Amino acid sequence: DGGITQSPKYLFRKEGQNVTLSCEQNLNHDAMYWYRQDPGQGLRLIYYSQIVNDFQKGDIAEGYSVSREKKESFPLTVTSAQKNPTAFYLCASSSNLRADTQYFGPGTRLTVL
Amino acid sequence: DAKTTQPPSMDCAEGRAANLPCNHSTISGNEYVYWYRQIHSQGPQYIIHGLKNNETNEMASLIITEDRKSSTLILPHATLRDTAVYYCIVRTPSNAGNMLTFGGGTRLMVKP
Repeated sequence: DGGITQSPKYLFRKEGQNVTLSCEQNLNHDAMYWYRQDPGQGLRLIYYSQIVNDFQKGDIAEGYSVSREKKESFPLTVTSAQKNPTAFYLCASSSNLRADTQYFGPGTRLTVL
Repeated sequence: DAKTTQPPSMDCAEGRAANLPCNHSTISGNEYVYWYRQIHSQGPQYIIHGLKNNETNEMASLIITEDRKSSTLILPHATLRDTAVYYCIVRTPSNAGNMLTFGGGTRLMVKP
């Protein structure tokens, strides 16, 4: 089945540690996105990528980094510089021509202790 | 992108139609209306979108008023699995440079 996978579903880390969240898609989509969601809130865009080896900052990129070495993969690293990293992280993908229709992964819930 | 207004919560009896309203009085001529939903602890799911004609797919129907200032998402026979937060988004179908802006949405509770 085509879709987006994120792993792990739940992740715990100690404060001060970097952590990388995985996102893989087999939908042949060019564009991929990372969003953050806090309890009871909407989604906020962290980074997005329209093509391999290129990515752009979203509204809340500080403390995060990404890479796009392959079309299928868009990992997100939450660095120790991110002040409040505990959140629900969502990865999505779309075609470049139809960014209005995005397909989301199941999310990773990160808890920093 | 135009601002949208949705009621914060609604209840619906299982098997009945769920009608979720959305106001978007500042919508411009080239903006579409999109609906997504998010079941608890899952990623959002695209439901349907439209410009000015009513639309229907296997999940729902979208009714847009003639002046396009409001719309209604209809789930014809709501089930318990339709309990979720429903987001109405108004924007142009452009390239990946524009993100989806999710507001507060409507929390739909389907009750047995």
